[in-house]
Amino acid sequence: DAGVIQSPRHEVTEMGQEVTLRCKPISGHNSLFWYRQTMMRGLELLIYFNNNVPIDDSGMPEDRFSAKMPNASFSTLKIQPSEPRDSAVYFCASSSRDSGYFVTDTQYFGPGTRLTVL
Amino acid sequence: AQTVTQSQPEMSVQEAETVTLSCTYDTSESNYYLFWYKQPPSRQMILVIRQEAYKQQNATENRFSVNFQKAAKSFSLKISDSQLGDTAMYFCAFRPFIGGGADGLTFGKGTHLIIQP
Repeated sequence: DAGVIQSPRHEVTEMGQEVTLRCKPISGHNSLFWYRQTMMRGLELLIYFNNNVPIDDSGMPEDRFSAKMPNASFSTLKIQPSEPRDSAVYFCASSSRDSGYFVTDTQYFGPGTRLTVL
Repeated sequence: AQTVTQSQPEMSVQEAETVTLSCTYDTSESNYYLFWYKQPPSRQMILVIRQEAYKQQNATENRFSVNFQKAAKSFSLKISDSQLGDTAMYFCAFRPFIGGGADGLTFGKGTHLIIQP
């Protein structure tokens, strides 16, 4: 089975430009997570979706960041305008969340996108 | 809110030795999951092992095992017969048992484990 797919793997852009990161979750998974990894702050949850609906976006740093999940097999994380402090590795993860009381899923991570904003 | 603390920024051991990575956490939740993820230089996040807090038995996966002490809020990872391929960053992570806005993982800062030949 294909794992979580992210594109691009590397992105270099200039300050002020719009950046779009893409994620394809594992087929059949209904939860999707975006994380950011930096040396200073470590791994942080930005936002997550259940059944394509954003549930918790409290980790999104500011209005320059937005995320969408138009269908079960695709999500985007957009930064507009980008700033040098946005440079980081951005991970997408997916899991299968059952409908019962107990959530028994494990999150599987994509390879990450290394973003450099000059 | 919960916090995860890994107090060992870096560890180095000889190949074939046993090494233990420590992790402590703070939470008011009574039911939760704990995880260890491995991140090699390729930066891929790989699940090593998971533990459900309601289970008293410690999880094991081949050479990897945990020592889960719920009362002490401690969750250490033991790697037996360490191999060169175990060289990586290791992250301890926490997730509450129930969703409702808390399904994301909370990670520690990581421990860089180096296996020397």
